[in-house]
Amino acid sequence: GDSVTQMEGPVTLSEEAFLTINCTYTATGYPSLFWYVQYPGEGLQLLLKATKADDKGSNKGFEATYRKETTSFHLEKGSVQVSDSAVYFCALSDPRTNTGNQFYFGTGTSLTVIP
Amino acid sequence: NAGVMQNPRHLVRRRGQEARLRCSPMKGHSHVYWYRQLPEEGLKFMVYLQKENIIDESGMPKERFSAEFPKEGPSILRIQQVVRGDSAAYFCASSPPGGLDTQYFGPGTRLTVL
Repeated sequence: GDSVTQMEGPVTLSEEAFLTINCTYTATGYPSLFWYVQYPGEGLQLLLKATKADDKGSNKGFEATYRKETTSFHLEKGSVQVSDSAVYFCALSDPRTNTGNQFYFGTGTSLTVIP
Repeated sequence: NAGVMQNPRHLVRRRGQEARLRCSPMKGHSHVYWYRQLPEEGLKFMVYLQKENIIDESGMPKERFSAEFPKEGPSILRIQQVVRGDSAAYFCASSPPGGLDTQYFGPGTRLTVL
């Protein structure tokens, strides 16, 4: 079945450091891939998405490229800020093979950025 | 355009009581999804509904849990006879017709069972 495996945290970085959070997936079809961010006490916010192989999603300085050959969708940011401290979730969905259109989420990676 | 609304944000129940969680989707969205997030875990799908129909409830526990999305009003997730293991954050998401590949999440209801 479909699943997402995400780099475990927690991750602690200094401000302006480079961020990579690894995400790999298993899917029977051709899923869309997502990164969501959850700030403390809040719900999930869509950060970026990619719907087909080689697409790059980007938002707020974050990027992720849909790599079909390595079944990966790693999240990167060149220079993190304190305000990026949150939990990041990788997710996939494939409405074409998944009649329920459920999203499959990774377990989340907690990021803390220190000044 | 208001986002997905959930209430209450926090709910405390004693074992054996009932919990009712409400979700109002974004305006124009006709698809609603419920997820559960246990402590230190990712979100797990529970149920997918359209107006007056349950489309997929494969993630819903067979007993004590039910969901509805009536023609008028919010979607309701109902948990009867709650147990401590039901303590979790319950998130609702919605998507528009034809936009099934993206879901927009509410702030969640944090249920604590004493």
